[in-house]
Amino acid sequence: EADIYQTPRYLVIGTGKKITLECSQTMGHDKMYWYQQDPGMELHLIHYSYGVNSTEKGDLSSESTVSRIRTEHFPLTLESARPSHTSQYLCASSEYTGGGYTFGSGTRLTVV
Amino acid sequence: SQQGEEDPQALSIQEGENATMNCSYKTSINNLQWYRQNSGRGLVHLILIRSNEREKHSGRLRVTLDTSKKSSSLLITASRAADTASYFCATDASGTYKYIFGTGTRLKVLA
Repeated sequence: EADIYQTPRYLVIGTGKKITLECSQTMGHDKMYWYQQDPGMELHLIHYSYGVNSTEKGDLSSESTVSRIRTEHFPLTLESARPSHTSQYLCASSEYTGGGYTFGSGTRLTVV
Repeated sequence: SQQGEEDPQALSIQEGENATMNCSYKTSINNLQWYRQNSGRGLVHLILIRSNEREKHSGRLRVTLDTSKKSSSLLITASRAADTASYFCATDASGTYKYIFGTGTRLKVLA
């Protein structure tokens, strides 16, 4: 089983709320990633990190922010949620650059 | 523009048959990976093939890579109902090592 955990699994919140999606991994991987996926659609990279205190924006513009204070923890924050943020958010990590990814089970976010 | 596109978008076969999915991409790559996603869940890594490799096997999976055509195929032999899932290819454009995923092929294996 994957050693990468995302919480919560499902989240329904009101517009304007601040939320943080948690992602933790126990494998000691330096590389971590956040992808956004709409149902039946491709994944879009929104943030990535190659190590502590290193974060970059991905290819899809996102109003979310991330932090990487500890190797094992890569939380994603939305300061003010909107219905357009409704989607599934997938966290992943990899042992080395270019290697296979281990994915979490995802957080399905609904903003009403 | 997306890097990888899978074909077909959806595939329905009988248990025991082989399933073939194709992936095309646009730019030179370092590696290509295939992933499986069960409904509403995270992705599971299946196989990674490097740009200097042409074919790899893992159990009932066979992946080929043709860099001259910028395409890859995933073959699942003797399919089972449990293989029902969406399958994605992911490519990293040379020099980036950031993987971009295609839209996926939805495979349904009928018992």
